[in-house]
Amino acid sequence: QSALTQPASVSGSPGLSITISCTGTNSDIGYYNFVSWYQQHPGKAPKLMIYDVSDRPSGVSNRFSGSKSGSTASLTISGLQAEDEADYYCSVWTDNSYVFGTGTKVTVL
Amino acid sequence: QVQLVQSGAEVKKPGASVKVSCKASGFTFSNHYMHWVRQAPGQGLEWVGAISPTGGRTYYARNLEDRVTVARDTSTTTVYIEVSSLRYEDTAVYYCLREIIEAGKAFDYWGQGTLVTVSS
Repeated sequence: QSALTQPASVSGSPGLSITISCTGTNSDIGYYNFVSWYQQHPGKAPKLMIYDVSDRPSGVSNRFSGSKSGSTASLTISGLQAEDEADYYCSVWTDNSYVFGTGTKVTVL
Repeated sequence: QVQLVQSGAEVKKPGASVKVSCKASGFTFSNHYMHWVRQAPGQGLEWVGAISPTGGRTYYARNLEDRVTVARDTSTTTVYIEVSSLRYEDTAVYYCLREIIEAGKAFDYWGQGTLVTVSS
């Protein structure tokens, strides 16, 4: 299973919004609604931010939202803050395995 | 509180095997699938394998299924991963993860990670 495709980097100014895309195929993102997003700060373990395309775990800011259209999922961060600067990975469950995205480095300008 | 505490860093030679443990606490261990994901230095995340709540079924990434074994011990609430015939490219931080059960498919808790270095 090939990795999902994400942009290598996305940047934005504080207070604005950014969107990270995650492109798969009709066999994974296009078929299953089990898309999740993870935030990883340097030297730390990833943290779950979104699951099942658009659900937020308890404790995650509502500035983070997820969506899906066809075989592409998206993570939007609204009201960008300095603490949002991190690596972000999408993932999808498919047929008893998981696939991760290539990762996106978010920079807050 | 939910905790996944992994064993310490390992240095192994090519061709050797390594076994990493993950002690779970703070939740009903036998209710959750448990997974392993690895991250090579400066690289992205790679799903490695998983084990069902009772330990009756295991699932592996196709490129690793010949060399990886995931097991769990319900009596000690510990999950293990063993990688055999180690190669330089197996050098990575290995994470133990808990899969959610309330809905869908995702990982809600991660261990602190264990660095496995393959070096001659």
